Amino acid sequence: QVQLQESGPGLVKPSGTLSLTCAVSGASISSSHWWSWVRQTPGKGLEWIGEIFHSASTNYNPSLKGRVTMSVDKSKNHFSLNLSSVTAADTAVYYCARMLGSPSRFDNWGQGILVTVSS
Amino acid sequence: DIQMTQSPSSLSASVGDRVTITCRASQDISDYLNWYQQKPGKAPKLLIFAASNLQSGVPSRFGGSGSGTDFTLTISSLQPEDFATYYCQQSYSMSSTFGPGTKVDLK
Repeated sequence: QVQLQESGPGLVKPSGTLSLTCAVSGASISSSHWWSWVRQTPGKGLEWIGEIFHSASTNYNPSLKGRVTMSVDKSKNHFSLNLSSVTAADTAVYYCARMLGSPSRFDNWGQGILVTVSS
Repeated sequence: DIQMTQSPSSLSASVGDRVTITCRASQDISDYLNWYQQKPGKAPKLLIFAASNLQSGVPSRFGGSGSGTDFTLTISSLQPEDFATYYCQQSYSMSSTFGPGTKVDLK
């Protein structure tokens, strides 16, 4: 059974960098899947942030204007998200998820972590 | 970006009712359309993928149809555990996008 678990600070200061990690169990991060981040706010709903493959290939949402970087650590079987220059608009519940197949879909999700941007 | 819309934004229904939710894409997305269910405080759960394929473990009262720009999620007989918010998502473009959601609550 595949499980994903987000971790990281729940509070980030404006202009700082949001850093989250997603630990994967029950599956190898080196498998043929893309690993994604999705966030959810009351105002904008669900928003895809980006995805990473075990080779470290990435695709990011252009709307985040170069503020996003993702990385993968095969030795720890986890992947990470960094979002820089955060503002209050980045306050959201952040989910990590596995993307499966073609047509692709998010078949496994973490429980989510609330990150608040505030001084 | 491909824009996704859903209708209605909310609906009230009773146990046993047949419920239909519509999702529309701003351009042709073939069958690259997924449906999710989300309950308060929980992550979305995949129900239907590729427009009409039931995810393993999901009850058969859930069904999906459509292709191109217009899609439908149907719950044939609403059960108490089905009161939730439902989202569609397109995976046709590299930048995946979600619909705004349809909240199903008890009449």
